[in-house]
Amino acid sequence: GQQVMQIPQYQHVQEGEDFTTYCNSSTTLSNIQWYKQRPGGHPVFLIQLVKSGEVKKQKRLTFQFGEAKKNSSLHITATQTTDVGTYFCAGTTDSWGKLQFGAGTQVVVTP
Amino acid sequence: DGGITQSPKYLFRKEGQNVTLSCEQNLNHDAMYWYRQDPGQGLRLIYYSQIVNDFQKGDIAEGYSVSREKKESFPLTVTSAQKNPTAFYLCATSSVPSNYGYTFGSGTRLTVV
Repeated sequence: GQQVMQIPQYQHVQEGEDFTTYCNSSTTLSNIQWYKQRPGGHPVFLIQLVKSGEVKKQKRLTFQFGEAKKNSSLHITATQTTDVGTYFCAGTTDSWGKLQFGAGTQVVVTP
Repeated sequence: DGGITQSPKYLFRKEGQNVTLSCEQNLNHDAMYWYRQDPGQGLRLIYYSQIVNDFQKGDIAEGYSVSREKKESFPLTVTSAQKNPTAFYLCATSSVPSNYGYTFGSGTRLTVV
């Protein structure tokens, strides 16, 4: 079945540094979504990517969908303490959009 | 306000008891989902429903049951057959297709003692 893998599982970042988390699927995806879960909270939808090679930005966050639609990345520039949390990617191959979630990248930021 | 209400936020039960977790939504979303979250394991799908009176097993349905009698409600019962029920349970909803993402409730933290 479809599997979505995320690396790294854990990322320790100094405030002000950049980092990237990666998402890889065993199958071609219709679209990919990214979510953020703050400690003690619930996942919150960030963005959806649909087109091959698509790049979208949200302030310091840059999301990319691979050309083959089997991988994606989230790059955060100049990390802040507010970026702490777990970032999940989730992909779908269904026509109606049932998501398969990756295991997440837990991000810890030190001042 | 539109949203998802999960109750209770914390739940303690004795081993061997069935327990039902509530999920109510007023977003008018067709699809509803139940996920289980354990530390370091991400989100695992228990059950999902696209329409009223229909639901499908997810990846870890054993020991759980659901019903979808109303569009707004998708309760999850954790039965005594679930071997390790202590976890964080999240309910989510989406339109079909889920182009605008899933909306998650605030979760129920179940502890079985």
